[in-house]
Amino acid sequence: GAGVSQTPSNKVTEKGKYVELRCDPISGHTALYWYRQSLGQGPEFLIYFQGTGAADDSGLPNDRFFAVRPEGSVSTLKIQRTERGDSAVYLCASSRDIGETQYFGPGTRLLVL
Amino acid sequence: DAKTTQPNSMESNEEEPVHLPCNHSTISGTDYIHWYRQLPSQGPEYVIHGLTSNVNNRMASLAIAEDRKSSTLILHRATLRDAAVYYCILRDVFSRLTFGEGTQLTVNP
Repeated sequence: GAGVSQTPSNKVTEKGKYVELRCDPISGHTALYWYRQSLGQGPEFLIYFQGTGAADDSGLPNDRFFAVRPEGSVSTLKIQRTERGDSAVYLCASSRDIGETQYFGPGTRLLVL
Repeated sequence: DAKTTQPNSMESNEEEPVHLPCNHSTISGTDYIHWYRQLPSQGPEYVIHGLTSNVNNRMASLAIAEDRKSSTLILHRATLRDAAVYYCILRDVFSRLTFGEGTQLTVNP
């Protein structure tokens, strides 16, 4: 079946702009996770959802970052007033339920100029 | 979060077995040991996981020390497509995956 998909695959923006990154989880998966990966490092946890609610947002770096999952399926990661340091690959993963294996999408490569 | 320690890099020859070590001396009783791998420009791919007993699947085997303070991922016959960064991760009760820097595996033809 279809895996996790993320759009866009690449995003270039200017410092100070607003961006939205989208994640389509595997159908039927109730848990959804966002991670961020800087060059040469492992992914870093940002936030995860169980259904529509954010169960743990402790990894969000500051209040410029926000994520939603209004219908318990698709999720959007929103970054306000982007900074050059936000440049990274943003990865989304989903699992059938909390505690089960996480399956990752290909990521969105964000470049802030 | 409990931490894992892995070698930065390892090399293997094609068709030979590969043993990727991981130390996790601060593991708690409820932490599962997960292995993921990441090919260039792709998201991480699940390989295998376990709690206490050794595990086998079609991709690899996971050998877990009796005290659970270390584990070894075993690729029985390395292929060129196995060249990737391999991450050993302790998944906590909150289901977050805490990645380290992983081991870059190079497979020589």
